[in-house]
Amino acid sequence: EDQVTQSPEALRLQEGESSSLNCSYTVSGLRGLFWYRQDPGKGPEFLFTLYSAGEEKEKERLKATLTKKESFLHITAPKPEDSATYLCAAGGYQKVTFGTGTKLQVIP
Amino acid sequence: DGGITQSPKYLFRKEGQNVTLSCEQNLNHDAMYWYRQDPGQGLRLIYYSQIVNDFQKGDIAEGYSVSREKKESFPLTVTSAQKNPTAFYLCASSITTGNTIYFGEGSWLTVV
Repeated sequence: EDQVTQSPEALRLQEGESSSLNCSYTVSGLRGLFWYRQDPGKGPEFLFTLYSAGEEKEKERLKATLTKKESFLHITAPKPEDSATYLCAAGGYQKVTFGTGTKLQVIP
Repeated sequence: DGGITQSPKYLFRKEGQNVTLSCEQNLNHDAMYWYRQDPGQGLRLIYYSQIVNDFQKGDIAEGYSVSREKKESFPLTVTSAQKNPTAFYLCASSITTGNTIYFGEGSWLTVV
């Protein structure tokens, strides 16, 4: 059965304090590893798709990386506006499996 | 602008009533999905459709029904058989199943 596990469940950072979020996955026939940002009361906003081990993608203060078993979302010098829940998902042959998310709070 | 439109944003339902949530996409995607999200929990798949006139049950289909008569539209009906329907409902689409999923803004359903 496909599984996606995210850690930590919650993370509190001071503004400017860099850190990483982890996403471990077990999926048959990975077609893509996806990262989303979700603000309270809104739909998830697409951030990145990674397709193969070793791939990296960047957007502003965020960088996503992928290995054969894990993906990391690195946040460099975060700002309060980066506070949100970050969701990871793995696309298999027929379905996409979501993790439960990491709730990030960045304190000024 | 291309995207996924859900309506209504907020909906109140009396116990025993059916209610239909609308979802329209203009991304020309073949696959569409309905997810349910409860406070502090992850996304759970209700139904998905890979192509027009075809749909499959997800992990929590009981008490829900869908139709896919047009490529652009995938309405979800929450029936009176759904025992705990109060939740945040998300519609989504992708080019095909397994590919990047894009979400609408969600609909809040409250049973009163």
